[in-house]
Amino acid sequence: KAGVTQTPRYLIKTRGQQVTLSCSPISGHRSVSWYQQTPGQGLQFLFEYFSETQRNKGNFPGRFSGRQFSNSRSEMNVSTLELGDSALYLCASSPGAVSYNEQFFGPGTRLTVL
Amino acid sequence: DQQVKQNSPSLSVQEGRISILNCDYTNSMFDYFLWYKKYPAEGPTFLISISSIKDKNEDGRFTVFLNKSAKHLSLHIVPSQPGDSAVYFCAASDPGAQKLVFGQGTRLTINP
Repeated sequence: KAGVTQTPRYLIKTRGQQVTLSCSPISGHRSVSWYQQTPGQGLQFLFEYFSETQRNKGNFPGRFSGRQFSNSRSEMNVSTLELGDSALYLCASSPGAVSYNEQFFGPGTRLTVL
Repeated sequence: DQQVKQNSPSLSVQEGRISILNCDYTNSMFDYFLWYKKYPAEGPTFLISISSIKDKNEDGRFTVFLNKSAKHLSLHIVPSQPGDSAVYFCAASDPGAQKLVFGQGTRLTINP
């Protein structure tokens, strides 16, 4: 089985722009979670989607949003980028409804905001 | 509010010796704990886990210990190998919030 894929792998944007990141989960997985990784903060939970519905959300401002499509692929969007949004954005997929213990991560998208 | 803390940002250990990575948590409702390993330019990969009803779980060179009264868990790697050099994240499962809560990570370096 192919693993979790994320595109693009690297991205450079300037302040005020918006960005969309994409995640394709493992085939058959219905849950997709997004995390932000920054030095010293570890992985901060952004949100989780299951069957096209946002099931859970972390403590991030409304500039961070996401969605999930019928094929379980997910996108996250960040609008009005700030310097502090520079981070590694990780996507993880899980097989089923209660599966937050079985998360498989993609390689991440490295976002740099200048 | 950091519910899961890894207080050592880095750890250096000689090859063949024991590596001990520590993690503290504050939420007594966490029901499952996991360790993930992350190499540069890759996503974290699952390493080992332990249920809150147990105090030890072993898998080859990796053993996780849970001390619920102290709200502390540790990962032991014996013997340490150069390929173990990576960032290790401790995570806890929050059944109420249905999400994993991660620590800040510890960078382990194994020296030859």
